[in-house]
Amino acid sequence: GQQVMQIPQYQHVQEGEDFTTYCNSSTTLSNIQWYKQRPGGHPVFLIQLVKSGEVKKQKRLTFQFGEAKKNSSLHITATQTTDVGTYFCAGKWSGYALNFGKGTSLLVTP
Amino acid sequence: GAVVSQHPSRVICKSGTSVKIECRSLDFQATTMFWYRQFPKKSLMLMATSNEGSKATYEQGVEKDKFLINHASLTLSTLTVTSAHPEDSSFYICSAREGGGSTGELFFGEGSRLTVL
Repeated sequence: GQQVMQIPQYQHVQEGEDFTTYCNSSTTLSNIQWYKQRPGGHPVFLIQLVKSGEVKKQKRLTFQFGEAKKNSSLHITATQTTDVGTYFCAGKWSGYALNFGKGTSLLVTP
Repeated sequence: GAVVSQHPSRVICKSGTSVKIECRSLDFQATTMFWYRQFPKKSLMLMATSNEGSKATYEQGVEKDKFLINHASLTLSTLTVTSAHPEDSSFYICSAREGGGSTGELFFGEGSRLTVL
């Protein structure tokens, strides 16, 4: 089936450093969503991107959707320890279901 | 936001027995729910799409006779792991969209950790 590839798998940063995770699909997406899962928790919705070239910001988080709607990124500026968790992108092509990327686990040390 | 509740949160069973996991949308109706499986430190693997009043749609490689899904009402979907074996041990998590559309935020249940001895 259709998949989104997500990199890196792990990222360890010092508090205050920036962090970026990338997702890529070989085919054009209908939309892409981003979720955060804290250790021991369930995924929580962050944002949905629908339009080509769309950029959305949530405080220190910046989400981008590529012009071809095949790739997306999540960038966190000046990470904090509260940013720890696994960030998943989830792609939708058609129908109802989302397919999740493998996730990027972020560890932030103070 | 909308709330999805899953029960039980943890279950331990013997090999060969069946286990039922419930997923409820507490404050909205969900014509479609999704069941995922997550291995430790791994991604969410979509198992099936549960459709209220009709058969579930299973992803490739997921045994429909092994993982029985019933979506009998607009607020409840159940996943039954039949004749469970140790390799079925995993974290099972459901999700749903408010409004039943094909786009929009997914609300996840808390997940159910199954351990098969």
